[in-house]
Amino acid sequence: AQSVAQPEDQVNVAEGNPLTVKCTYSVSGNPYLFWYVQYPNRGLQFLLKYITGDNLVKGSYGFEAEFNKSQTSFHLKKPSALVSDSALYFCAVNNFNKFYFGSGTKLNVKP
Amino acid sequence: DTGVSQNPRHKITKRGQNVTFRCDPISEHNRLYWYRQTLGQGPEFLTYFQNEAQLEKSRLLSDRFSAERPKGSFSTLEIQRTEQGDSAMYLCASQTGQGASYEQYFGPGTRLTVT
Repeated sequence: AQSVAQPEDQVNVAEGNPLTVKCTYSVSGNPYLFWYVQYPNRGLQFLLKYITGDNLVKGSYGFEAEFNKSQTSFHLKKPSALVSDSALYFCAVNNFNKFYFGSGTKLNVKP
Repeated sequence: DTGVSQNPRHKITKRGQNVTFRCDPISEHNRLYWYRQTLGQGPEFLTYFQNEAQLEKSRLLSDRFSAERPKGSFSTLEIQRTEQGDSAMYLCASQTGQGASYEQYFGPGTRLTVT
């Protein structure tokens, strides 16, 4: 069965510090992995995806994610957090044309 | 704004009533998905269309739920005889390609409250 786990309900980080939002997955076959961000009263916005190739994927707003096949992880990272990065982040895997989402991680960036 | 739009944004209804939601995808996108999201959870897949054909429905989608995409453009999701457990955010998303590598573009959602 396909599943995505985001072990942290909330991540707190100070502005300017690096941030990591964790994601692990379980899927049959090759994983197509995605990160989305959700701001209040707005739809989910695509950040980045891993399909194949380089394990470090760069996306929007300075975010990047590292795919680790042996650990079945796809952690989201940013070298220097901004207050405006505060939002709800979802990891997702696409398997057989359906997205399976994690439960989300609320990122709080404090000035 | 040429993104995915959903109407209405909010719907309050009494238990037992029928409700219908509309989704207008990005115009050149031939795949359209419906999801349900409850508080503290990620979106859960309900159903999806390739043009006007409904290709798959989740087991979450009971007989009270029906979705259509009659001309391969906008889609509607109808819930008959609503129950309090139907209260959730209903999200629509579209994607341009048919493969699993394509990202989806989401609408703002319709929040349903069943009283």
